Amino acid sequence: EDKVVQSPLSLVVHEGDTVTLNCSYEVTNFRSLLWYKQEKKAPTFLFMLTSSGIEKKSGRLSSILDKKELSSILNITATQTGDSAIYLCAVVHAGAQKLVFGQGTRLTINP
Amino acid sequence: DGGITQSPKYLFRKEGQNVTLSCEQNLNHDAMYWYRQDPGQGLRLIYYSQIVNDFQKGDIAEGYSVSREKKESFPLTVTSAQKNPTAFYLCASSAGTILSGNTIYFGEGSWLTVV
Repeated sequence: EDKVVQSPLSLVVHEGDTVTLNCSYEVTNFRSLLWYKQEKKAPTFLFMLTSSGIEKKSGRLSSILDKKELSSILNITATQTGDSAIYLCAVVHAGAQKLVFGQGTRLTINP
Repeated sequence: DGGITQSPKYLFRKEGQNVTLSCEQNLNHDAMYWYRQDPGQGLRLIYYSQIVNDFQKGDIAEGYSVSREKKESFPLTVTSAQKNPTAFYLCASSAGTILSGNTIYFGEGSWLTVV
């Protein structure tokens, strides 16, 4: 059965800290991996990763895919309270043409 | 403003009732999706439609029905056959298929509570 697992499920840090969120997957016919940020309601798109070892970066956020290890990490440096959110990882299943989501990581940044 | 509009934002349903959640997009996207989000379980796909007048079941379609009569609209009906309908429902759309590398964009969601 296709599975996407995120860890940790919950993380509380202080403003200014650096965090690393993990996503591992067991999906047949893998096509790509996506990261979303969900602050209150609508998840917003962060990154799409298709190739292994190529880092995608946007400001203080970066992400990389490791196809050998079937995993991806999302790094956030110099965290701010506005980074508090649920971070969702999803994998594109090419055969079923759908996204398989992980449970999400709830990140809380304390001032 | 372009986007995806879901309504209502909050809905209470009595047991045995059918309810319909509305989803409208003005992004001219071909594909639309319905997801359900429960705490600790991430998002699960209910139904999706890649083109008008066509839709497919997702992973948890039982107890739900949809229609796609217009490109911009993809309403979801939660029927009385859905045993545990209390959840957060998210509608989404994409310009083309996700296989083509198209990003999925989400609406603001609808909270459904059974009372």
